[in-house]
Amino acid sequence: QLQLQESGPGLVKPSETLSLTCTVSGGSISSSSYYWGWIRQPPGKGLEWIGSIYYSGSTYYNPSLKSRVTISVDTSKNQFSLKLSSVTAADTAVYYCARHNVEVFGVVLLYFDYWGQGTLVTVSS
Amino acid sequence: SYELTQPPSVSVSPGQTARITCSGDALPKQYAYWYQQKPGQAPVLVIYKDSERPSGIPERFSGSSSGTTVTLTISGVQAEDEADYYCQSADSSGTSVVFGGGTKLTVL
Repeated sequence: QLQLQESGPGLVKPSETLSLTCTVSGGSISSSSYYWGWIRQPPGKGLEWIGSIYYSGSTYYNPSLKSRVTISVDTSKNQFSLKLSSVTAADTAVYYCARHNVEVFGVVLLYFDYWGQGTLVTVSS
Repeated sequence: SYELTQPPSVSVSPGQTARITCSGDALPKQYAYWYQQKPGQAPVLVIYKDSERPSGIPERFSGSSSGTTVTLTISGVQAEDEADYYCQSADSSGTSVVFGGGTKLTVL
């Protein structure tokens, strides 16, 4: 059974960089059929896609966050990571990692079928 | 930027049918997906590619599509179905993901 687990600091200061890692177990992150994504949810609000990455390093980002987001992959550790720079209180949210189904040839991003449990990151001084 | 529009809330009595809609200009071109989220839990995929049901999802969950609107239908609603439901799709290029604002389903 595929499992994903987010890890990283639960508290980040304003203007600093939020860094999270997602560890995938029960399957290979190098599978040719999937991207791997980050989604966040501010307290009491809806879901927002941050971005997704292929094992080769190919990425797609939410245009509204693109200038501050970097997603990377480490296939040797079966992990992918999120960095969000210049954070403010508006970036306080539960951050989820998930497996992202795609149409690989002529990339079309489809749906998320396996999710981590989520981790709350609070931006505060 | 591209948006998907859902009603904020839907209420039904147990045993009745709940219908949650999601509207977006690119839906005729892109598939829609539906997630169920209960408090304190990660979302769970309940419908993919407009109308397909993942294994383990009860048959009372179904999806349909017509033009720029997709609909999640829950037949014979049970108390355990009370949750937030989100639709999700992609923009017309297929390279940017968007979620609807979510619909809170209340079972009276």
